[in-house]
Amino acid sequence: QKEVEQNSGPLSVPEGAIASLNCTYSDRGSQSFFWYRQYSGKSPELIMSIYSNGDKEDGRFTAQLNKASQYVSLLIRDSQPSDSATYLCAVTTPGGSYIPTFGRGTSLIVHP
Amino acid sequence: GAGVSQSPSNKVTEKGKDVELRCDPISGHTALYWYRQSLGQGLEFLIYFQGNSAPDKSGLPSDRFSAERTGGSVSTLTIQRTQQEDSAVYLCASSARTGKNSPLHFGNGTRLTVT
Repeated sequence: QKEVEQNSGPLSVPEGAIASLNCTYSDRGSQSFFWYRQYSGKSPELIMSIYSNGDKEDGRFTAQLNKASQYVSLLIRDSQPSDSATYLCAVTTPGGSYIPTFGRGTSLIVHP
Repeated sequence: GAGVSQSPSNKVTEKGKDVELRCDPISGHTALYWYRQSLGQGLEFLIYFQGNSAPDKSGLPSDRFSAERTGGSVSTLTIQRTQQEDSAVYLCASSARTGKNSPLHFGNGTRLTVT
């Protein structure tokens, strides 16, 4: 049973701070990792993908992958109230036909 | 271009009735996925279609659930004899290719309420 674990939160940070979201996964063979953002009442939208160990930066977002420790994280710099949403971690494995397995998501609240 | 389109956006039905949910993927996308999301929960995989291959039905929760994809495009998810626990948002997603590096593009979902 492939599992993807996230702290449900909410994670509350002040505007301008760094928000750190974490995700762990159980299948050591997992190969691709995605972060989706889901606003309340809306569908998920992709914000970052990462496939190799290390950091990947895109604007204010940085994804970090550590396959040895089986975790992936998302850092949001200079957090804005508009970043308030639920962040879903998704993982794919070759044994699962690369069908993404999603975590339950972490709710992020950025307060002014 | 047009995104993934789902209909209806909301559906209220009585327990025991059958419902059909429709998904029209992004043109040219070969892979199509159905997930459902219950209140406060993550996305639960239901079924996956890829081109003309047999669908991966491993996520369907019971034999009351079925899905088809006609002509490699539009998909219909059917729930027979609906139960209250079927109430959820049903999300359809498509991707341009398969394999490990294929992000999903989601539709806006169908919110199903079984009374």
